[in-house]
Amino acid sequence: EAQLVESGGGLVQPGDSLRLSCAVSGFTFDVNWMSWVRQAPGKGLEWVANSKYDDSAENYVDSVKGRFTISRDNAKNTLYLQMNSLRAEDTAVYFCASRNSFDNWGQGTLVTVSS
Amino acid sequence: EIVLTQSPGTLSLSPGERATLSCRASQSVSDNYLTWHQQKPGQAPRLLMNGASRRATGIPDRFSGSGSGTDFTLTIDTLEPEDFAVYYCQQYSSSAITFGQGTRLEIK
Repeated sequence: EAQLVESGGGLVQPGDSLRLSCAVSGFTFDVNWMSWVRQAPGKGLEWVANSKYDDSAENYVDSVKGRFTISRDNAKNTLYLQMNSLRAEDTAVYFCASRNSFDNWGQGTLVTVSS
Repeated sequence: EIVLTQSPGTLSLSPGERATLSCRASQSVSDNYLTWHQQKPGQAPRLLMNGASRRATGIPDRFSGSGSGTDFTLTIDTLEPEDFAVYYCQQYSSSAITFGQGTRLEIK
């Protein structure tokens, strides 16, 4: 059974940086695209970024381009999201999800950006 | 960017009734790269349907999906109490993945 476990969330100030991790088990990580999806409090789902299985390509939603970087370590079955220049509007629960169809989801980690 | 518009925003029905949820795309979703996800309060979303009409593992057959191109439908026959939740459609036919805004299915 697939398991995705996010970590790294917390309370930060505007302009700060944070790195999220997603540890994966139960499926073949290095042949699957992986994504980060976020959900602001009381709002809908928003795809943030995805990473090709061999780390050769990535895509981002416009609102995070130049500030967030997705990466992966296939040897550790772990996905990352480096978030720089954080803004209040980045406050959300961040989920990692497998494949571009989001077959499996983690439970999420909360990122709060507030002064 | 492909914009997905879901309707209705809220659907009020009783257990045992049938629910019909709509998802309309601003441009054609190629190869039916259209999914449906269910989310209950305080939980992560769960994949229900892939390829517009293919149920994910473990999803009961009262859930069905249909459609192609720009118009897609999720139908839930004979609603069970556990089906009341928020439903999202999602497309991945373009490099910019997008979700609809969600339909809230509530108990009448």
